[in-house]
Amino acid sequence: GQNIDQPTEMTATEGAIVQINCTYQTSGFNGLFWYQQHAGEAPTFLSYNVLDGLEEKGRFSSFLSRSKGYSYLLLKELQMKDSASYLCAVTLREGYQKVTFGTGTKLQVIP
Amino acid sequence: ETGVTQTPRHLVMGMTNKKSLKCEQHLGHNAMYWYKQSAKKPLELMFVYNFKEQTENNSVPSRFSPECPNSSHLFLHLHTLQPEDSALYLCASSQDGTGFSRYTEAFFGQGTRLTVV
Repeated sequence: GQNIDQPTEMTATEGAIVQINCTYQTSGFNGLFWYQQHAGEAPTFLSYNVLDGLEEKGRFSSFLSRSKGYSYLLLKELQMKDSASYLCAVTLREGYQKVTFGTGTKLQVIP
Repeated sequence: ETGVTQTPRHLVMGMTNKKSLKCEQHLGHNAMYWYKQSAKKPLELMFVYNFKEQTENNSVPSRFSPECPNSSHLFLHLHTLQPEDSALYLCASSQDGTGFSRYTEAFFGQGTRLTVV
């Protein structure tokens, strides 16, 4: 089976940097997604990592270590609108459409 | 607006009712998905359709019955549901059936909030 762990909740201050971690145990790992979901809205795509390393996209960066089964999402210059749930999800090499999600991390940005 | 529209946004139904959830995507995608999102639980994949053919049924009870008449529309027919089926039901689509990837990211609808009483 697959197991994905993320912190349930985090709080950070506007303008600061926050790192949301995700660890996974799975066989046949292919890649890892990060999605953002505001309350009552659809999840929206943030990033997809297949290779080890850091990928930067504006204020958001995502890191993957395949050997450690570990990823993080880094949010810089936090804004109030970044308050949302952040979902980590993995895909497998086989059954590639079976994207498995973690429970999500609810981030609250405070002034 | 993500290009994936779900109706209704909210639904309250009794355990003996029959209702249907509708999903429509305007993105020209060929793969569509149903997910269930319950409080404090991960998104759970329910069904996958590729080019109108069901390719995945993730051990979903038969009281949930999907239908995909064409690549743009997906339905979830509901009957004799249980209170524990109350959840947010999300529809998603992706470019083609080769799976989620950087180039075939999933686009989600805003979901139907279902309450079974």
